[in-house]
Amino acid sequence: DAKTTQPPSMDCAEGRAANLPCNHSTISGNEYVYWYRQIHSQGPQYIIHGLKNNETNEMASLIITEDRKSSTLILPHATLRDTAVYYCIVRSYNNNDMRFGAGTRLTVKP
Amino acid sequence: GAVVSQHPSRVICKSGTSVKIECRSLDFQATTMFWYRQFPKQSLMLMATSNEGSKATYEQGVEKDKFLINHASLTLSTLTVTSAHPEDSSFYICSATQPIAGREQYFGPGTRLTVT
Repeated sequence: DAKTTQPPSMDCAEGRAANLPCNHSTISGNEYVYWYRQIHSQGPQYIIHGLKNNETNEMASLIITEDRKSSTLILPHATLRDTAVYYCIVRSYNNNDMRFGAGTRLTVKP
Repeated sequence: GAVVSQHPSRVICKSGTSVKIECRSLDFQATTMFWYRQFPKQSLMLMATSNEGSKATYEQGVEKDKFLINHASLTLSTLTVTSAHPEDSSFYICSATQPIAGREQYFGPGTRLTVT
């Protein structure tokens, strides 16, 4: 599976959009981009995933560049409860295991 | 959404003893379950992949005789840490996936193991 690069930390003001970038320049054609987050001392929580089209659900939006080498997770109106470590993971469709990088620690400030 | 539970949530054991952690998929059948370990301020590290009815596949560097994994049914996998030592103290997390290609994994809440 392709490796990902994320900034180690980011801050965001409460109520503003949080934009979390992820670089996956070695992604291959059958690999999806998944986003999970982990709030302190809890198991990771699935957020969203996509292949090449932008995706949106009740939690977030995922924007994938046309060349698929990078993506951005957008939390449209960040709240204090969104403070967590966010993981971007690239995984091939037929490969079930999920391997985590260092992630981005997002801190939402009042 | 799919729910995965773990039991216990916290356990303290003495060095040299064994401890069993259960992982259950509550509302779906999971042909594959995964076990992760997470040390403080670090990311999750995949330990092993557990397939129902067959032997687990361990990641490089993970001792199969120390971390016994059993996946006896489609809703239950267990991890037994044998002869635990203080360095085994960690946050153990399981996840499960439905037997559909590309399906996201659902993670349990984790088990905090402290070996004294």
